[in-house]
Amino acid sequence: AQSVTQPDIHITVSEGASLELRCNYSYGATPYLFWYVQSPGQGLQLLLKYFSGDTLVQGIKGFEAEFKRSQSSFNLRKPSVHWSDAAEYFCAVGPSAAGNKLTFGGGTRVLVKP
Amino acid sequence: GAVVSQHPSWVICKSGTSVKIECRSLDFQATTMFWYRQFPKQSLMLMATSNEGSKATYEQGVEKDKFLINHASLTLSTLTVTSAHPEDSSFYICSAREFGSGGNTIYFGEGSWLTVV
Repeated sequence: AQSVTQPDIHITVSEGASLELRCNYSYGATPYLFWYVQSPGQGLQLLLKYFSGDTLVQGIKGFEAEFKRSQSSFNLRKPSVHWSDAAEYFCAVGPSAAGNKLTFGGGTRVLVKP
Repeated sequence: GAVVSQHPSWVICKSGTSVKIECRSLDFQATTMFWYRQFPKQSLMLMATSNEGSKATYEQGVEKDKFLINHASLTLSTLTVTSAHPEDSSFYICSAREFGSGGNTIYFGEGSWLTVV
């Protein structure tokens, strides 16, 4: 069965500092991987996705993620965090590039200190 | 870009009543929509896949008679929580896949908060 693990429940980072959110997955087939951001009381916004090609994926808002098959990981990074990046981040895996029937990780809440 | 809208955003209902949540794709047709729920401080869990013109496919452990899903048109899916109880209080969110465009993106709605008192 597929699963997604986000080891960090909370991360606090200073504004301007770098951010890395960890994601490990278990999937029996070719994984299609996604990162979403959820602001308080809001829906999900797709940051980026990976399904083939270059293992370093660029997304919106200055985020990037690196797929490492050997480690079953898809970590999200941002070089310099802005206060507006405070939110909950979800890693997800699914059976298609479209994002059907996603299995989500538990989420990582990011707090940004001034 | 494509927009998926949910209504209502917030709803409070009395225990034992039913409440309907709508999910609309505003500028594209969606043959398939997905319903998720999210308990406080937890992740999203897929409840069911809603297919236009046919019965929804429910995930294991989700009561189909309690969570009625109707996908009557290519732009609208509804989730009805029947005989709601406080434990049904949750954040319900839908997503929709664009139809016929060759697109490969799912669009999420903004979610609906349900509180059962």
